Amino acid sequence: EDQVTQSPEALRLQEGESSSLNCSYTVSGLRGLFWYRQDPGKGPEFLFTLYSAGEEKEKERLKATLTKKESFLHITAPKPEDSATYLCAVRVNSGGSNYKLTFGKGTLLTVNP
Amino acid sequence: DVKVTQSSRYLVKRTGEKVFLECVQDMDHENMFWYRQDPGLGLRLIYFSYDVKMKEKGDIPEGYSVSREKKERFSLILESASTNQTSMYLCASTNGDRFNYQPQHFGDGTRLSIL
Repeated sequence: EDQVTQSPEALRLQEGESSSLNCSYTVSGLRGLFWYRQDPGKGPEFLFTLYSAGEEKEKERLKATLTKKESFLHITAPKPEDSATYLCAVRVNSGGSNYKLTFGKGTLLTVNP
Repeated sequence: DVKVTQSSRYLVKRTGEKVFLECVQDMDHENMFWYRQDPGLGLRLIYFSYDVKMKEKGDIPEGYSVSREKKERFSLILESASTNQTSMYLCASTNGDRFNYQPQHFGDGTRLSIL
């Protein structure tokens, strides 16, 4: 069974304190790993797609990396506006030529000023 | 920008009622999805559709059905609402296929309460 595990469940940082979020996965045939950000009362907002081990993507203070078993979302010098739940999802084959996303449960990040 | 619109932000219904949740996307996407999101359980896929009038069961289809009569619209139906269907419901769409890893784009959700 395809599994996605995110850690930690919650992370509290001081403004400027860099850290990393982890997403480990056990899937048969990865066809992309996605990171999303979700603010309270809103739908997930797409951040990055990673396709293959060794790939990296950056956007402002965020950097996502991928290995064969896990992905990291590195947050450099975070600001309070980076506070959100960060979701990781893997794209897997659901039969035939169709694909679906399997999500982790998310990491709730709080950045204090 | 991709726009996925869910018809209601908040909805309160009674046990046993038939409930319709509507979702519309404006990017001519082939694939549309319905999820529910619960604390501690994350996002779980209920149903998805990869073409008009086509549907596939997700991981938790029991108690739900869907309808896709037009490409831009995907409806989730609770045939006889029960209290354990109280949840946040999220709709998403994408044009991703086996060769095209486009991300799913989400609406802002419908918070449904069944009393």
